[in-house]
Amino acid sequence: GQNIDQPTEMTATEGAIVQINCTYQTSGFNGLFWYQQHAGEAPTFLSYNVLDGLEEKGRFSSFLSRSKGYSYLLLKELQMKDSASYLCAGKSSAAGNKLTFGGGTRVLVKP
Amino acid sequence: DVKVTQSSRYLVKRTGEKVFLECVQDMDHENMFWYRQDPGLGLRLIYFSYDVKMKEKGDIPEGYSVSREKKERFSLILESASTNQTSMYLCASSLRQAHQYFGPGTRLTVL
Repeated sequence: GQNIDQPTEMTATEGAIVQINCTYQTSGFNGLFWYQQHAGEAPTFLSYNVLDGLEEKGRFSSFLSRSKGYSYLLLKELQMKDSASYLCAGKSSAAGNKLTFGGGTRVLVKP
Repeated sequence: DVKVTQSSRYLVKRTGEKVFLECVQDMDHENMFWYRQDPGLGLRLIYFSYDVKMKEKGDIPEGYSVSREKKERFSLILESASTNQTSMYLCASSLRQAHQYFGPGTRLTVL
């Protein structure tokens, strides 16, 4: 089976850094995705990790440790527009490569 | 730009009605997915399809069926709508191993 855990909510200040953790238990693990979803909108793709290490894309970075079943999304120089839900999703080759999503982490950026 | 469109943003139906939700993508993607999203439960996969006329059950297929007669179109059908099917429904599509692109969602209310 698949199990994805992430915190429900986080609050941070504009300009700061926030790290959103995600732990997973996925048989046949075949990659981990992060999506951003603003309230009332569709999720949009942020990053994909399949190998261990850090992937950096501008202010956003994502890290994966396959041996620990752990990933995080790092948001730097937070802006008000970063207030959104961040969804962690694991892909499993044992499950036809479909995604299993965590419940999402709602990040609130305060001035 | 990939575009995934859904037939309605908001829909109100009565218990027992047959409901059709349509999804169209314009990028020749093989894979298409239907999810529902509920507070505290995250995104849950209802059905997915890897090709025309092919369908696979997701994690919560009960009470739903799907149809994929053309590559670009994936329909979700609620044979007899019930109040517990009130939810946000999200369609997504992807190339075989790539990330998913989501439509804007249909907020369905069943009275």
